[in-house]
Amino acid sequence: QKEVEQNSGPLSVPEGAIASLNCTYSDRGSQSFFWYRQYSGKSPELIMFIYSNGDKEDGRFTAQLNKASQYVSLLIRDSQPSDSATYLCAVKSNDMRFGAGTRLTVKP
Amino acid sequence: DTEVTQTPKHLVMGMTNKKSLKCEQHMGHRAMYWYKQKAKKPPELMFVYSYEKLSINESVPSRFSPECPNSSLLNLHLHALQPEDSALYLCASSQAWTPRYGYTFGSGTRLTVV
Repeated sequence: QKEVEQNSGPLSVPEGAIASLNCTYSDRGSQSFFWYRQYSGKSPELIMFIYSNGDKEDGRFTAQLNKASQYVSLLIRDSQPSDSATYLCAVKSNDMRFGAGTRLTVKP
Repeated sequence: DTEVTQTPKHLVMGMTNKKSLKCEQHMGHRAMYWYKQKAKKPPELMFVYSYEKLSINESVPSRFSPECPNSSLLNLHLHALQPEDSALYLCASSQAWTPRYGYTFGSGTRLTVV
């Protein structure tokens, strides 16, 4: 069983729509949850982190965490073509464990 | 500009070569990491250097050896690599090796072993 699971996609949304990215994890001891954006051939860039159950908003991004369901999600409102990238979910107890990523394409 | 600097950005090496990847951070972070990432795969942890102690992922072959000259530098020495070692090598740092802190990644070194 994979420790961090994401739909690989590709997920395609039209410009201006809401993109919804989902992630489940297996380690109930995970304490911190992160979303990284990775453009093709580039390194991951941290865009959101969340520690507590509920929602956390930062600009067009909202992270949602449900520890009971071992589920974390990322919503991107008003999606832009520049949001097209692979989004990596990561969970951390001691080490950071990454999902394989969901590839998002935002079409103009 | 990233605050974690990796050099070189690209490296092509033969299987008999010895080379080094360099990583430096200027943020006063107390933990540094090396990750390996193959195409369309998640980053895989290779090494952690935190509080003057090096932790090694036991699945990493001995042809990779880390070196930490000081708290802001973490180098990766490469020797007798195989073609399957071709990947993007990512260095990262965090304020501390505790659950709360996320990582800042360098721009990566694209390694090709021929």
